[in-house]
Amino acid sequence: LAKTTQPISMDSYEGQEVNITCSHNNIATNDYITWYQQFPSQGPRFIIQGYKTKVTNEVASLFIPADRKSSTLSLPRVSLSDTAVYYCLVAKAGSSNTGKLIFGQGTTLQVKP
Amino acid sequence: NAGVTQTPKFRILKIGQSMTLQCTQDMNHNYMYWYRQDPGMGLKLIYYSVGAGITDKGEVPNGYNVSRSTTEDFPLRLELAAPSQTSVYFCASSTLQGISYEQYFGPGTRLTVT
Repeated sequence: LAKTTQPISMDSYEGQEVNITCSHNNIATNDYITWYQQFPSQGPRFIIQGYKTKVTNEVASLFIPADRKSSTLSLPRVSLSDTAVYYCLVAKAGSSNTGKLIFGQGTTLQVKP
Repeated sequence: NAGVTQTPKFRILKIGQSMTLQCTQDMNHNYMYWYRQDPGMGLKLIYYSVGAGITDKGEVPNGYNVSRSTTEDFPLRLELAAPSQTSVYFCASSTLQGISYEQYFGPGTRLTVT
């Protein structure tokens, strides 16, 4: 599974847009990019996944450039409740897929009033 | 649906004791996983299962055992507990229908070994 690198921490203010970038230079052709969110004392929660270009859901947008060596999670107009750890993961598709995910250290986002 | 449930929520063990962490899901998911999370760190995969009767090791399996006799249950057994096993343990499940990497996590079990 491809290794990912993301900032350890980020600060933002309520109402701002937050972009968290993740690099995955050795991503393979059949790998997907997925992001999870974890609040203190809770298990992680799936946010979004994508393969290329842009994916948007009710929570976030995911931007993936053509070379797929990086991705950016965009959180619109954050609130204090968006304070959490955000994990970028690369997951392999295909017949050998077991759903295994490798979690790195994640990015701790602190939203201030 | 209750989703993924884990018991107990908290447990303190003495060195050398054994215990079983329970995990149950009611979503009829084939795939189930056990992770541990040390303070300030990401999750590490201990064991996983792709269906009843099938289990396999993850990144950090030493000191643990699992079994999967039913689709719903995936217990994690700690034998001879050691202080290095002090951690928060999360169980998760998924369907892998289509191409989806959404795993559903339980609330976790906080284990302290002293």
